[in-house]
Amino acid sequence: DAKTTQPPSMDCAEGRAANLPCNHSTISGNEYVYWYRQIHSQGPQYIIHGLKNNETNEMASLIITEDRKSSTLILPHATLRDTAVYYCIVRAFETGTASKLTFGTGTRLQVTL
Amino acid sequence: DGGITQSPKYLFRKEGQNVTLSCEQNLNHDAMYWYRQDPGQGLRLIYYSQIVNDFQKGDIAEGYSVSREKKESFPLTVTSAQKNPTAFYLCASRQQENTEAFFGQGTRLTVV
Repeated sequence: DAKTTQPPSMDCAEGRAANLPCNHSTISGNEYVYWYRQIHSQGPQYIIHGLKNNETNEMASLIITEDRKSSTLILPHATLRDTAVYYCIVRAFETGTASKLTFGTGTRLQVTL
Repeated sequence: DGGITQSPKYLFRKEGQNVTLSCEQNLNHDAMYWYRQDPGQGLRLIYYSQIVNDFQKGDIAEGYSVSREKKESFPLTVTSAQKNPTAFYLCASRQQENTEAFFGQGTRLTVV
């Protein structure tokens, strides 16, 4: 799986958009970008994933650059409940095998009043 | 409700004792995973399993053992060979054809 690089921490004011970057310059053509978040002392929660098109769901938007070497997770209106560690993961989508699903250290997002 | 359950939430053991952490899922998922998390750190993969009676070592398997006798169960044993067993342990499962991994709420193991 391709290695990802994320800033260790970010702050965001409540109600503003939180833009979390992820660098994955060694990504392969068959690798997807996944985002999870982990609220303190809980299990990680899936947010969104994408291959090369931008994606949006009820939680967030994912913007992937045209060369796919980086991406940005956008929380459009951050709330205090969005304070968490956000993990960017890159892995191939494959059937028939269980890939390792490797997590890095993530970005600690602090949403403030 | 479908989900993945880890028990107990908190576990205390004396040094030198083996301890087994439970992970059960009723999501009919094929793949299951065990992770370890230390304070302020990311998740590190211990073991993972694709199907029943099959499992592979992750990045930090030394001092741990697993079994996968049933599809819904993937217990992790922390043996006395693990040098620093005190940590937060997370179990996850994933259906191979889907992309989303579901995590349990974790077991915090303290060895004294």
